[in-house]
Amino acid sequence: DVKVTQSSRYLVKRTGEKVFLECVQDMDHENMFWYRQDPGLGLRLIYFSYDVKMKEKGDIPEGYSVSREKKERFSLILESASTNQTSMYLCASSMTGTGSYNEQFFGPGTRLTVL
Amino acid sequence: AQKITQTQPGMFVQEKEAVTLDCTYDTSDPSYGLFWYKQPSSGEMIFLIYQGSYDQQNATEGRYSLNFQKARKSANLVISASQLGDSAMYFCAMRERRGFKTIFGAGTRLFVKA
Repeated sequence: DVKVTQSSRYLVKRTGEKVFLECVQDMDHENMFWYRQDPGLGLRLIYFSYDVKMKEKGDIPEGYSVSREKKERFSLILESASTNQTSMYLCASSMTGTGSYNEQFFGPGTRLTVL
Repeated sequence: AQKITQTQPGMFVQEKEAVTLDCTYDTSDPSYGLFWYKQPSSGEMIFLIYQGSYDQQNATEGRYSLNFQKARKSANLVISASQLGDSAMYFCAMRERRGFKTIFGAGTRLFVKA
């Protein structure tokens, strides 16, 4: 069974802390994504990666960075957490190609609270 | 620019009835794909159905069908014979061929009444 896992379901951090969110997929997918989900705003893309060590900014990259050292792992880093980064964070992966093979497989999400 | 609009923040439907969730989109790319995802209260996003811009027929997957009207740029999801387990958030999404990004609408919360 295909799977995307995220390191934590719930996380509470303090303002100014450095936060690492980890995502691992076991499907040998080329593409990986980090989204944040806020009520009424849907999913907004933070960063994505289409290959190891490659990364591209999404729509809201400010305050975040990412790392992809291995194909199966994509990390989201909050350099200095702020209260406006309190949100649900979703990781996803997909194959490269067209058609329904572009469907994204999502992890269970990490609900991050920054106090 | 890419855009997805879901105008129904919340919908109610009686169990066993059909329901249509609206989605309109905007793109200048002639080649694109449209997706619907379901997000139950557990939080995990579940892929439901896909429609390619050049597909001649509307996509169907079990009780889900996609009413694709290309000229109107709409891709409505139809759920037939609603079940209590269909209560969830539903997101419409689009990916253009020329990029890696998929953009998502704001979502529609569906409530199925017994």
